[in-house]
Amino acid sequence: QQPVQSPQAVILREGEDAVINCSSSKALYSVHWYRQKHGEAPVFLMILLKGGEQKGHDKISASFNEKKQQSSLYLTASQLSYSGTYFCGTEIGGSRLTFGEGTQLTVNP
Amino acid sequence: NAGVTQTPKFQVLKTGQSMTLQCAQDMNHNSMYWYRQDPGMGLRLIYYSASEGTTDKGEVPNGYNVSRLNKREFSLRLESAAPSQTSVYFCASSEETGFLFGTEEGETQYFGPGTRLLVL
Repeated sequence: QQPVQSPQAVILREGEDAVINCSSSKALYSVHWYRQKHGEAPVFLMILLKGGEQKGHDKISASFNEKKQQSSLYLTASQLSYSGTYFCGTEIGGSRLTFGEGTQLTVNP
Repeated sequence: NAGVTQTPKFQVLKTGQSMTLQCAQDMNHNSMYWYRQDPGMGLRLIYYSASEGTTDKGEVPNGYNVSRLNKREFSLRLESAAPSQTSVYFCASSEETGFLFGTEEGETQYFGPGTRLLVL
């Protein structure tokens, strides 16, 4: 039931864009996105609930395709502060969150 | 407003020793969780408590016990530590849990700073 994230790692230059994908083999009720910096706790980014297709704030947004059972996180015009590991957590109706293995994002000057 | 706090921050144990990891939240959340995170891996749910007085197993409960002491506090106990339990342990809380409630605010999980545990 663990969602699959891709890519596993990505290296960007400041100002470039990135897309992180999260897919599930089962129908999803919600998808959660978190970012974790090295040595710190995960920090909530956003949730996409069943019925909600896209949302975002500032230069980070996400989409949720229920039919394809997948979500994508979009980071545009990346900043150094975007570096970290991004996790998606998926909820299959009535069950708890299951997290993917993470995507390590490095933004270089 | 401290959010979610965990103690201790670091701990070294010998195989077979026992210890309790403490977690407390001051956000009046109903649901609390314990996760473990191994190097290069995601978060795996050990146990959770949907509300005061209830606890349920997650993905990897073997070797652990939990107690929901009151609405604020949720502890994780290792009765006989093993090297395979070397990990970083995160506690988290949320207003509610599960799709029955289905609100962003309700389902957002807030994480504590983590406890780094080494079992020799």
